[in-house]
Amino acid sequence: DGGITQSPKYLFRKEGQNVTLSCEQNLNHDAMYWYRQDPGQGLRLIYYSQIVNDFQKGDIAEGYSVSREKKESFPLTVTSAQKNPTAFYLCASRQLTLTGEDGYTFGSGTRLTVV
Amino acid sequence: SQQGEEDPQALSIQEGENATMNCSYKTSINNLQWYRQNSGRGLVHLILIRSNEREKHSGRLRVTLDTSKKSSSLLITASRAADTASYFCATERTGRRALTFGSGTRLQVQP
Repeated sequence: DGGITQSPKYLFRKEGQNVTLSCEQNLNHDAMYWYRQDPGQGLRLIYYSQIVNDFQKGDIAEGYSVSREKKESFPLTVTSAQKNPTAFYLCASRQLTLTGEDGYTFGSGTRLTVV
Repeated sequence: SQQGEEDPQALSIQEGENATMNCSYKTSINNLQWYRQNSGRGLVHLILIRSNEREKHSGRLRVTLDTSKKSSSLLITASRAADTASYFCATERTGRRALTFGSGTRLQVQP
């Protein structure tokens, strides 16, 4: 089955630690995205990538870093510079078309808690 | 920044009734999309409407778009208890190929 897989489902981080969230897709989608969701809120864009070895900052990129070395993988690192990292993190992918009319496919999310 | 704002924030209806959710946005857009999220899960794409379209249907869903008012509405007809979820509008604004999501409407359908 084609899909997008996020791991782990739950992650606990001590203050001052960096942690990396995994996102893998086997849909052959060009673009991948990371969003953060706080309780009762909408999604805010962290980073996105439209092509391998290239990515752009979203609205809340500070304290986060990404890489896109392979088409199927887009890991997100939450660094110690992110002051309030406790949140639900969602990864998504999309096949880019000339008209950009494809919807996103989302993973099931990683819930990160700082302890 | 939140591009879209949904209204109402929460909606509770009885099974069989229709549910209407509204979304407003701020900038020029290429398209507007609606997503559904069950509690603690990822989002599922429901429907996309282009900026040059005014209405679109998919099963029990009807979406309208008014670009002059920068607003959209999602109508779910003959609602079911399984429709209970949060619904988000998302816009792809001109010049950025990434979606910006609204704050969502929490829909509760009572059996």
